[in-house]
Amino acid sequence: DIQMTQSPSSLSASVGDRVTITCRASQGIRNDLAWYQQKPGKAPKRLIYAASSLQSGVPSRFSGSGSGTEFTLTISSLQPEDFATYYCLQHNSYPRTFGGGTKVEIK
Amino acid sequence: QVQLQESGPGLVKPSETLSLTCTVSGGSISNYYWSWIRQPPGKNLQWIGYIYFSGSGTTNYNPSLKSRVTISVDMSKNQFSLKLSSVTAADTAVYYCARATSGRNPFDYWGQGTLVTVSS
Repeated sequence: DIQMTQSPSSLSASVGDRVTITCRASQGIRNDLAWYQQKPGKAPKRLIYAASSLQSGVPSRFSGSGSGTEFTLTISSLQPEDFATYYCLQHNSYPRTFGGGTKVEIK
Repeated sequence: QVQLQESGPGLVKPSETLSLTCTVSGGSISNYYWSWIRQPPGKNLQWIGYIYFSGSGTTNYNPSLKSRVTISVDMSKNQFSLKLSSVTAADTAVYYCARATSGRNPFDYWGQGTLVTVSS
């Protein structure tokens, strides 16, 4: 299985801050990486797929980059509704595997 | 707009079989990859497996669960189902159904999730 390691596991930030979350794959996965946002009691919501493709309807302050083994999700200006947990997912091979999550909290 | 809805018992006894159904509305069940994904309380997401139906059903399961998992489809009802046998407390989780369009386009639509507790 491909192991996905996210960092940090949690962070505190203020509204308006630029936030960066990193995901590392245990082996190369080309650009087969998606990012999801999950709020308490809700299903994950896809933000990014194929490393940098923005899901329709997702604000442009979200962006993704990377290929191979290292990937980044950036929120350019954190908004109140962005406080949530973020997960990466590799969709290169089976079994699909998720990162451990990054909880973004209000400073 | 595609919508997915999980249904099934919220409580299952140890050693019994967990059975859930996902009803798909607003679109066809054909030619998509339909997955089950679970999340134990406070823990990470785990992909369980998928079924792909295009004339016949093709399945792929997580090796860690493969011996206990069966995913099937009922085209007439636009539903697909999960059976997980010999459950233990470690199988307590929120279970989600989700759709993927292709290998390059994963899990774009999700159900709301249903909590299944394994307890006597």
